Amino acid sequence: GQQLNQSPQSMFIQEGEDVSMNCTSSSIFNTWLWYKQDPGEGPVLLIALYKAGELTSNGRLTAQFGITRKDSFLNISASIPSDVGIYFCAGEMIKAAGNKLTFGGGTRVLVKP
Amino acid sequence: GAVVSQHPSWVICKSGTSVKIECRSLDFQATTMFWYRQFPKQSLMLMATSNEGSKATYEQGVEKDKFLINHASLTLSTLTVTSAHPEDSSFYICSARDPGTARSGNTIYFGEGSWLTVV
Repeated sequence: GQQLNQSPQSMFIQEGEDVSMNCTSSSIFNTWLWYKQDPGEGPVLLIALYKAGELTSNGRLTAQFGITRKDSFLNISASIPSDVGIYFCAGEMIKAAGNKLTFGGGTRVLVKP
Repeated sequence: GAVVSQHPSWVICKSGTSVKIECRSLDFQATTMFWYRQFPKQSLMLMATSNEGSKATYEQGVEKDKFLINHASLTLSTLTVTSAHPEDSSFYICSARDPGTARSGNTIYFGEGSWLTVV
């Protein structure tokens, strides 16, 4: 199925650094969701965005719903080791046939050796 | 946040047998649940959308006779992998839509996932 373009695909972080990732699409979405997935577990919701331009924070996480409704970014400030994992963006369109999520390919956050 | 629970967390079954995975929304009623499959180091692949009281909607390429979905109540959907083969081994994840309130929009929460190994 359709995927969102999520970048970067992977990144190394050092404790204390800020981290940014984003998702873009050629389609308009009504909702943007950001999830974190640890190995062997299901995705955990981090932030939900419902309005174009909306900027929402959850602790050290900040995400924005792009004005064009075709993009979103997630920032993690002052990263810590437990921020390691895979982050997925997901967009939802309202369709007559029913809503479903379209996922980005994921951003794998790793710790610098 | 809302909780979605899957059971079992992992299961090993013999080739040719069937295995059932349950997905429950624990603190909200979910009219819609979704079933995904995830391969190592890849994103989630939607298999089907499960609507309470009606037939599931399957994504293109997903065999509905092989992956039977039942959404008998507002808090439970089941995925049955019939006549399982080793290539069906995967991580299966469900999600459920929490309709939310007038203040908050609807949100989708995921279960913990179920590892299926077919030997």
